[in-house]
Amino acid sequence: DQQVKQNSPSLSVQEGRISILNCDYTNSMFDYFLWYKKYPAEGPTFLISISSIKDKNEDGRFTVFLNKSAKHLSLHIVPSQPGDSAVYFCAASYSIQGAQKLVFGQGTRLTINP
Amino acid sequence: NAGVMQNPRHLVRRRGQEARLRCSPMKGHSHVYWYRQLPEEGLKFMVYLQKENIIDESGMPKERFSAEFPKEGPSILRIQQVVRGDSAAYFCASSPLANYDLHKTQYFGPGTRLTVL
Repeated sequence: DQQVKQNSPSLSVQEGRISILNCDYTNSMFDYFLWYKKYPAEGPTFLISISSIKDKNEDGRFTVFLNKSAKHLSLHIVPSQPGDSAVYFCAASYSIQGAQKLVFGQGTRLTINP
Repeated sequence: NAGVMQNPRHLVRRRGQEARLRCSPMKGHSHVYWYRQLPEEGLKFMVYLQKENIIDESGMPKERFSAEFPKEGPSILRIQQVVRGDSAAYFCASSPLANYDLHKTQYFGPGTRLTVL
């Protein structure tokens, strides 16, 4: 039962253009959403997050949008840079018995072409 | 301020041996989480610990796997009698004590890549 889905395993974008990564979830209990970036042989690096009470959060070139009715979130990177090439994971979080459990999508490999 | 530390970074074991993976959380963080990533998959939650307490181990296999976070020292993920299917990347994450939005973010270590021959 895949509660968090990233349906695009890969995405290729021209440098300077906008990269849009998508994520869908099924569990209404999720109250916090995060995007992580991962390079090979490294741990995931936190990028940006959004609470379920908001619909947009922006940090520099990164913006996360949340559509609760559609159970959909997206990460926009603009302008895209070659250093953005990595695997991006979305994660959804909910609290249970004091634990903040993260459920990850399968990841989308983003390639920025010069 | 050092990030989450994990060691070893790479670990090779033969079938039937034991694997011990260590994780030191970020300074000031008292919550530790362990995740496993199989090839071409996302990270899967295994266990959540606070100092001297296992809070949630619902993602941990029932046999051969155990975790601890003692009062002093790092958190340990222990895998007994390893099998080839245990080969994966194991990531540790930590977060602060507070539970408001800003502190719901988990910060990850570099991972331990376990290879079982």
